[in-house]
Amino acid sequence: GNSVTQMEGPVTLSEEAFLTINCTYTATGYPSLFWYVQYPGEGLQLLLKATKADDKGSNKGFEATYRKETTSFHLEKGSVQVSDSAVYFCALIVSNFGNEKLTFGTGTRLTIIP
Amino acid sequence: NAGVMQNPRHLVRRRGQEARLRCSPMKGHSHVYWYRQLPEEGLKFMVYLQKENIIDESGMPKERFSAEFPKEGPSILRIQQVVRGDSAAYFCASSPQSSYYNEQFFGPGTRLTVL
Repeated sequence: GNSVTQMEGPVTLSEEAFLTINCTYTATGYPSLFWYVQYPGEGLQLLLKATKADDKGSNKGFEATYRKETTSFHLEKGSVQVSDSAVYFCALIVSNFGNEKLTFGTGTRLTIIP
Repeated sequence: NAGVMQNPRHLVRRRGQEARLRCSPMKGHSHVYWYRQLPEEGLKFMVYLQKENIIDESGMPKERFSAEFPKEGPSILRIQQVVRGDSAAYFCASSPQSSYYNEQFFGPGTRLTVL
């Protein structure tokens, strides 16, 4: 089956620190990969995505590269801000003849302190 | 263009009561997905619907849970005879078509508390 393994949290960093949140996956088929962000009390927002090997998704200073050889999609940001405090979810979709449901990791809670 | 709307945002029920959660997809979207988020866990797929059809309900508990997406009106997730273990956040997402290449847009969720 399909599964996503995500770095356990919570993660606490100081403002302007470098961020890495690890994500690895297993999939039956060729997945598209996503990072979603959930701010307190809100729904999920798509942060970035990549649909094929070696693609790099990027948004708001965050980046992740689709690594097929290591089945990974690690999230990185060079300098985090307090406003980045949220829960981050790695997820995948595998094409299945029109039945595409997201498989999520367990989420990583990130707290940035000033 | 309004986003995915869910109501109510918060719902409190006593054990044995029924819970009805509503989801209005984005305009032009005909695919709806329901996910459940248990406390301190990731989201788990429940059911995928298109207008008047259930495409995949492999994530739905076998009893007490049902979902529909009628030709007119919102999608409804119905939980009968709720138990404490049903307490969770329920998220709805919509997409214009098959979501392999199309983003699923999420609503703000309904937080169900069962007393």
